[in-house]
Amino acid sequence: NAGVTQTPKFQVLKTGQSMTLQCAQDMNHEYMSWYRQDPGMGLRLIHYSVGAGITDQGEVPNGYNVSRSTTEDFPLRLLSAAPSQTSVYFCASRVTGTGAGQPQHFGDGTRLSIL
Amino acid sequence: KQEVTQIPAALSVPEGENLVLNCSFTDSAIYNLQWFRQDPGKGLTSLLLIQSSQREQTSGRLNASLDKSSGRSTLYIAASQPGDSATYLCAVELWGGSEKLVFGKGTKLTVNP
Repeated sequence: NAGVTQTPKFQVLKTGQSMTLQCAQDMNHEYMSWYRQDPGMGLRLIHYSVGAGITDQGEVPNGYNVSRSTTEDFPLRLLSAAPSQTSVYFCASRVTGTGAGQPQHFGDGTRLSIL
Repeated sequence: KQEVTQIPAALSVPEGENLVLNCSFTDSAIYNLQWFRQDPGKGLTSLLLIQSSQREQTSGRLNASLDKSSGRSTLYIAASQPGDSATYLCAVELWGGSEKLVFGKGTKLTVNP
């Protein structure tokens, strides 16, 4: 039972490079989301998806793209990396339509440094 | 805009002590409130979830309460152990089924042997 799997765990980029952070879940959860965690800021929502083919913006979407072609995968793309995007990125998933009683499941994070 | 505040930011206690972590939120229109644990360099582990219609939840030595009218939640840890050392995060899920979580900045707990 893998839960939510994020790859890579660590990455160093140069300013202007692009990359994709991968997120996969094996729990057949409809809802998936991406957060970034910065010191003194807490976790902030970047993008989220309520099902395959449906995505929407969160609190801090600028500089990031997402798509959801399958239920299992929800990749996050950095189009042109900037030092301000240095952060720890977490992917989360949850089953939907079952009321307010289900917690969200988080991956172990991707630690991204942009030089 | 929903804001979540956690006090204190850090707490250090001797082993065996009972302790309370506090969380407050500005808008009472929430779907639920969740407490998470985060160990250094790790992801978030869900500890307790309290639905908006509930007043408290318990799991082992942990008890979480919710008072929507006052915008407050507490996480009570009984008989603390060094293994409880971690950062504890409070998050509210916004009403309306959007499933968005708004997080506090966390309380870093250190339990000394």
